[in-house]
Amino acid sequence: DAGVIQSPRHEVTEMGQEVTLRCKPISGHNSLFWYRQTMMRGLELLIYFNNNVPIDDSGMPEDRFSAKMPNASFSTLKIQPSEPRDSAVYFCASSSSYGYTFGSGTRLTVV
Amino acid sequence: GEDVEQSLFLSVREGDSSVINCTYTDSSSTYLYWYKQEPGAGLQLLTYIFSNMDMKQDQRLTVLLNKKDKHLSLRIADTQTGDSAIYFCAVLQGGGNKLTFGTGTQLKVEL
Repeated sequence: DAGVIQSPRHEVTEMGQEVTLRCKPISGHNSLFWYRQTMMRGLELLIYFNNNVPIDDSGMPEDRFSAKMPNASFSTLKIQPSEPRDSAVYFCASSSSYGYTFGSGTRLTVV
Repeated sequence: GEDVEQSLFLSVREGDSSVINCTYTDSSSTYLYWYKQEPGAGLQLLTYIFSNMDMKQDQRLTVLLNKKDKHLSLRIADTQTGDSAIYFCAVLQGGGNKLTFGTGTQLKVEL
C-alpha cells in the first residue's frame, strides 16, 4: 500500500494564480480530509468527504477555495486566485476505523 | 465544538521518560489518538485508545486516559534523539468521523 499520495510536494506560485493540489487516498478508505497547517493556526480542517460527498466545508476559509472528489480515488483542492496568506502546508488524509492516514503534504508558497 | 489543548514545548534528556499531556472537552469522544510529526513530514499515527479503556501500552509508549477529567497522556520511556518531533493529540467526536487536533507539543531531546 503506497499510503495517501499528494502532489505536488512543493508549489511556488505568484499571487493571483490558480493553484490545484491533488490527493489519492488509500484504497478502501471512504472518508477524505483536507487540512491546512501553519505556524500561527496549527492544523485546521478545511473540508471532508464521506463516500465522495462533501460533508463539512465549514473550515474552507473563503470562496477562493474549492474542493472536489469526483471518485473514490481522487480529490483536488483548488485556490483561485491565490494570495500570500494562503502559504501553508496542505495535508490530505483518508480514514479507516483506526484513525487517519496522512499524506506527506504540499508546501505552498504564494509570492 | 470540541476543544483539545496541549502544552507547546517539552524538553527532556536522552534516556529519561517524556510525558506529553492533553485535555479535551467533549465527554462523548470515542477514540483518542497520538500522532507524531517529524520536520517536513506528514502526521504519523503512533497509537490510539478507545474511550472505555484507561491505559494502553505499546513498547516504549504508554497512553493513559482519565475520562472523568478528560485528560490524555502519552509517556515515552527511554526517550531517544529520534523521538524529537511534534506530538499531536487528536479526539474523535462521538457519532462522527471528524478528528479534532490539539496544537501539538514540540518534544526536544537533549544529549
